[in-house]
Amino acid sequence: SQKIEQNSEALNIQEGKTATLTCNYTNYSPAYLQWYRQDPGRGPVFLLLIRENEKEKRKERLKVTFDTTLKQSLFHITASQPADSATYLCALDPSSSNTGKLIFGQGTTLQVKP
Amino acid sequence: DSGVTQTPKHLITATGQRVTLRCSPRSGDLSVYWYQQSLDQGLQFLIQYYNGEERAKGNILERFSAQQFPDLHSELNLSSLELGDSALYFCASSVGNSNQPQHFGDGTRLSIL
Repeated sequence: SQKIEQNSEALNIQEGKTATLTCNYTNYSPAYLQWYRQDPGRGPVFLLLIRENEKEKRKERLKVTFDTTLKQSLFHITASQPADSATYLCALDPSSSNTGKLIFGQGTTLQVKP
Repeated sequence: DSGVTQTPKHLITATGQRVTLRCSPRSGDLSVYWYQQSLDQGLQFLIQYYNGEERAKGNILERFSAQQFPDLHSELNLSSLELGDSALYFCASSVGNSNQPQHFGDGTRLSIL
């Protein structure tokens, strides 16, 4: 069956450290993958999009990798801050069907402690 | 502020009723998406419209329907409501049809009593 898996347990790290979140998928061949941040009671906010022919994408303190062989994406936040505390969602295009349909993982909650 | 406006923010109604959720996309965006988020199911894709035409469908119930109007705003209609329909309903928009970041509104919280 098709699945997207993110760490269901919350990730607790100390301020200043690097947070690494994992997104694994099975039985999909996505043309691209996206990461979003969601705060309680708010809509998801787009962070980064990485295409299947890109190994890595960076934006300020954020870095995403995409390994289509391992069927995995890693999301890194360097020099983490308490304001980075939120739930992070990965999402993929399930069928490369030229639509905007996204399948989301359940999300990983990150808690950065001062 | 994402630029996507959803109304109402909260809706409380009873089983068997019908409601309409409204979404105004970001200026210039042609695609509108609807998602449902519940605690046990996570964020689930319902439907996408692009420039007035239905573009993609998820596991949207037959009791639910949507449309996108010529001014590009969209409405999601939910009928014969059941307790299990209680959830957050998000609208998102993007410039193009695919391979694009999606910009989400802050949702409509629907509670069925």
